[in-house]
Amino acid sequence: DAGVIQSPRHEVTEMGQEVTLRCKPISGHNSLFWYRQTMMRGLELLIYFNNNVPIDDSGMPEDRFSAKMPNASFSTLKIQPSEPRDSAVYFCASSLGSSLEQYFGPGTRLTVT
Amino acid sequence: AQSVAQPEDQVNVAEGNPLTVKCTYSVSGNPYLFWYVQYPNRGLQFLLKYITGDNLVKGSYGFEAEFNKSQTSFHLKKPSALVSDSALYFCAVGDSNYQLIWGAGTKLIIKP
Repeated sequence: DAGVIQSPRHEVTEMGQEVTLRCKPISGHNSLFWYRQTMMRGLELLIYFNNNVPIDDSGMPEDRFSAKMPNASFSTLKIQPSEPRDSAVYFCASSLGSSLEQYFGPGTRLTVT
Repeated sequence: AQSVAQPEDQVNVAEGNPLTVKCTYSVSGNPYLFWYVQYPNRGLQFLLKYITGDNLVKGSYGFEAEFNKSQTSFHLKKPSALVSDSALYFCAVGDSNYQLIWGAGTKLIIKP
């Protein structure tokens, strides 16, 4: 299996622009997680999907952030408009059922100037 | 509510010496405990987990962890450290919503 796939790996954009991050979970996994990692705040859970349905989005910072999972093999995290404080590494992870063991993608390093 | 604490921001160990990275937890019910490692510019990688059974759990890269219910701890250990073990280590506990509650991470530095 190819593991969790994220794209792009790096994104540099200007403040105010829309940013879309993409994730393909491991085939057969039914839970998907979006995390953000920064030096200041560490690893933060943004949103969690189970069977394509958002279960917990309490970590989404504000309305500028939105996430979708239109099918079992694809999810997006969108930031509109982006701000410099959104600069971070964004990880996607997936897991299977009640196993709890999460598999992480390589991350997307976002820089907003 | 479940919580995890990693009391050390950084641990320094000489190569060849044993290492311990500490983790304590607070849960209601039986704990599901995990250790992950993050190498620079990489995603987190699963090392090992405790669900039930033997208190000593063996994982990847020669790491092991000891579950201690009375001390509510799940410390990560390795008998002989390698320079390549230098990385960021995260402890996590599973909650009833099938999420992981993460510790803040401990930076492990192995000096030659």
